[in-house]
Amino acid sequence: GAVVSQHPSWVICKSGTSVKIECRSLDFQATTMFWYRQFPKQSLMLMATSNEGSKATYEQGVEKDKFLINHASLTLSTLTVTSAHPEDSSFYICSATSPETQYFGPGTRLLVL
Amino acid sequence: GENVEQHPSTLSVQEGDSAVIKCTYSDSASNYFPWYKQELGKRPQLIIDIRSNVGEKKDQRIAVTLNKTAKHFSLHITETQPEDSAVYFCAASRSGGYNKLIFGAGTRLAVHP
Repeated sequence: GAVVSQHPSWVICKSGTSVKIECRSLDFQATTMFWYRQFPKQSLMLMATSNEGSKATYEQGVEKDKFLINHASLTLSTLTVTSAHPEDSSFYICSATSPETQYFGPGTRLLVL
Repeated sequence: GENVEQHPSTLSVQEGDSAVIKCTYSDSASNYFPWYKQELGKRPQLIIDIRSNVGEKKDQRIAVTLNKTAKHFSLHITETQPEDSAVYFCAASRSGGYNKLIFGAGTRLAVHP
């Protein structure tokens, strides 16, 4: 089946720093990738839709200047959390799409101190 | 806006019993309904999905039913086993993989030996 990787798997950073998370589709090309955030004991909340070669589409309430998304190739999308604060601590999960379904990455756990 | 409601939020069953989780969606244009199983700290794993042109789909101990008129779909797990214990999410989207998934709030299933 399709494989999606994320890097890093976990990161701890100081408040005010920026963190970049990579999402890669390893064995297929994905024109569309999605970024989700999941707080403990909650559901996955869609943050944005990442389209290769164009600007990301952000969901209502998600600050595009704080969560920078770049989808530079058909196998890589990056999410940069700028000026991270403790309330940004969460589990960030990406997915890559095929015509049939979405394949999820393993997630990145971010802790902002 | 688009919304998926999921019930119950928690479900406790004895090993060997059946478990049923129900979801209702609001977007009448939705035509793809996947179910995911998520273990603690892991990525969501697709366990079964159904499209709007069928009313029921079965895969061994797991089955999903869809009632488009009522905008209602359900997950049925028979002969439950302790390893079925996890959080289950339903989701809905307008088509296959390229459109965003709207997730339900999740059901925490506990199967007791």
